[in-house]
Amino acid sequence: AQSVTQLGSHVSVSEGALVLLRCNYSSSVPPYLFWYVQYPNQGLQLLLKYTSAATLVKGINGFEAEFKKSETSFHLTKPSAHMSDAAEYFCAVSSGTYKYIFGTGTRLKVLA
Amino acid sequence: DAGVIQSPRHEVTEMGQEVTLRCKPISGHDYLFWYRQTMMRGLELLIYFNNNVPIDDSGMPEDRFSAKMPNASFSTLKIQPSEPRDSAVYFCASSLGGFSYGYTFGSGTRLTVV
Repeated sequence: AQSVTQLGSHVSVSEGALVLLRCNYSSSVPPYLFWYVQYPNQGLQLLLKYTSAATLVKGINGFEAEFKKSETSFHLTKPSAHMSDAAEYFCAVSSGTYKYIFGTGTRLKVLA
Repeated sequence: DAGVIQSPRHEVTEMGQEVTLRCKPISGHDYLFWYRQTMMRGLELLIYFNNNVPIDDSGMPEDRFSAKMPNASFSTLKIQPSEPRDSAVYFCASSLGGFSYGYTFGSGTRLTVV
């Protein structure tokens, strides 16, 4: 069985500060991992994905995530937060099926 | 490409009425997914299709829900009769195929059943 846990339903950072959104997964086979972003009243947009190639994955808008098998983690980071980063972020896992399991989401607030 | 197109964006209906949500996937994408998003349950996969054929509908909550994909460019999700607990945002997503590809989501339909 596969599952995803996102630690922290709400995260606040100051503009220019480091963004760290946490995601831990459970999978019985090597997983595919994804981060999506959802802006208000919009659908989810793919930020980045891990597909067993490089463990450090770079995505759009300056975000990146590192796959750590030993920690079963796939945390999302951005060196410097921008006001436009305020949104909800979802981590998702696939254990080699089309049924992605999504986390409960982390709402990021960026303070001026 | 216009992306995944869903209609309507908002739907308000009375309990007991039939509701039909529509989705046009990205051309060439052979997988189509219907998700429901609520505050309480998050994102739930309802059903998905491959080449217009339903593959897994285990997430469909009740017989009141049905989904069809008559051709590669159109899918519907129908709720009959609707109930207040069906109020949610319903997303359609499509994928080119391959587990690693990821989904492209539509903007969703916000359904309110009163």
